[in-house]
Amino acid sequence: GAGVSQSPSNKVTEKGKDVELRCDPISGHTALYWYRQRLGQGLEFLIYFQGNSAPDKSGLPSDRFSAERTGESVSTLTIQRTQQEDSAVYLCASSPGLAVNNEQFFGPGTRLTVL
Amino acid sequence: KNEVEQSPQNLTAQEGEFITINCSYSVGISALHWLQQHPGGGIVSLFMLSSGKKKHGRLIATINIQEKHSSLHITASHPRDSAVYICAVAPAGNQFYFGTGTSLTVIP
Repeated sequence: GAGVSQSPSNKVTEKGKDVELRCDPISGHTALYWYRQRLGQGLEFLIYFQGNSAPDKSGLPSDRFSAERTGESVSTLTIQRTQQEDSAVYLCASSPGLAVNNEQFFGPGTRLTVL
Repeated sequence: KNEVEQSPQNLTAQEGEFITINCSYSVGISALHWLQQHPGGGIVSLFMLSSGKKKHGRLIATINIQEKHSSLHITASHPRDSAVYICAVAPAGNQFYFGTGTSLTVIP
C-alpha cells in the first residue's frame, strides 16, 4: 500500500511569508508526528497527533508554528512569518498507535528554504 | 544537555567488517528506536526495543535498560549499509529524544 506522502517536496520562500506543509499518513494510522532536521543536525521533535488531538505541542519552536489534523488523516504544519532559521527538512511520520510502542513510517520530507 | 548520546559520530569500515554503534541515554524510557537515514534523506525504522535483543537479517540491536545503553550491530557489512544511523528514545508521553546520528561509510 501507499506510504506516508508529503507535499511539496521542496519549498523556497521569502522571509516573512507564511508556508503550509502537508502530510498524508498511511491509512488507518492513528498517530502522526512532525519532525524538523536542520542541515547537518539531528532530528527535532515538533508535535504529535493521536487522532486529531495534539496532546504534546512542546516541541514547536515558537508561536509562529502551528499544526492541525483532520480526523485520522491529513495534517498540515503551518509556519507564519518565516525566518531564515526555519530552513530545514520537515519530516512527517505515522504509526498504527503511539510510536512509543510501534514502528514509525516516515515520509520523504519537505525541504524548506527561507531566503 | 543531550538526553541521547551516540558513538562514534563517524565510522568508516571495510566491506565485511563487523560494526557496532552505541547509544547511551539519560532519561527513563518506554522504548528505544533505531532509524536508518539514507544518503538521499529517507528514513527507515530498523528496530523498536523495550528489552533484550532483536535481529533482522544482518542487523542486531540490543538494549540494557539498567545501564541505559543500546547497541546496533551490523554483521558482514556491505557498501549499501552506508547511511546515518539514529538512536531515538521515547519516555512515556511520546516526546522523542534523538541522538545526532552515526554516519557509516562502508568501503568496498
